[in-house]
Amino acid sequence: QSALTQPPSASGSPGQSVTISCTGTSSDVGGNSYVSWYQQHPGKAPKLMIYEVTKRPSGVPDRFSGSRSGNTASLTVSGLQADDEADYYCSSYATSNILFGTGTKVTVL
Amino acid sequence: QVQLQESGPGLVRPSDTLSLTCAVSGYSISNSDWWGWIRQPPGEGLEWIGYIHYSARTYYNPSLKSRITMSVDTSKNQFSLKLSSVTAVDTAVYYCVKKGPHSTYFDLWGRGTLVTVSS
Repeated sequence: QSALTQPPSASGSPGQSVTISCTGTSSDVGGNSYVSWYQQHPGKAPKLMIYEVTKRPSGVPDRFSGSRSGNTASLTVSGLQADDEADYYCSSYATSNILFGTGTKVTVL
Repeated sequence: QVQLQESGPGLVRPSDTLSLTCAVSGYSISNSDWWGWIRQPPGEGLEWIGYIHYSARTYYNPSLKSRITMSVDTSKNQFSLKLSSVTAVDTAVYYCVKKGPHSTYFDLWGRGTLVTVSS
């Protein structure tokens, strides 16, 4: 089982929106509701931002939203802020395994 | 406030066994949750290692399964990871984590500890 595919980078100006894709297969992203997203600042531990495709943990701003279409999940960050600049990883359950995405570096211009 | 703290040697010799412990504070490890490990090689992405229930049931990454042993010590409110026959590719930051209920997301992370495999 391979890592899920994410674009290496994405960027946007403050106040704009950026969407990150996470492509897998029908055996992982497209086959269950256990897709999650993590934000990681340099030198820090990842932080859960979205779970079960669309749900936001308490304390995560509603500027972060998740969706899925077929075998591709997406994370959208609206109203970009300087602190949103970080690496983002998707994750999915995949039959006795948990896969992570390749990671996307989001830059706030 | 729930906190997870990893501890263990920062340097392990090739072919030896990597051993890490995660101490949980502010929360009982016996609260029917699953506790696990995720690693991240320097400059690379995340890799799930496995997780363990307080009852000692385990699920391991199939690619690492033959080398992994996880255990839990409810009396000390901590859980542990052993990874045998390590090589340089096992060099990574190792995070201990708490898994969300009835799902596969990780809602609480330790700060991580760097383990380098080198002679």
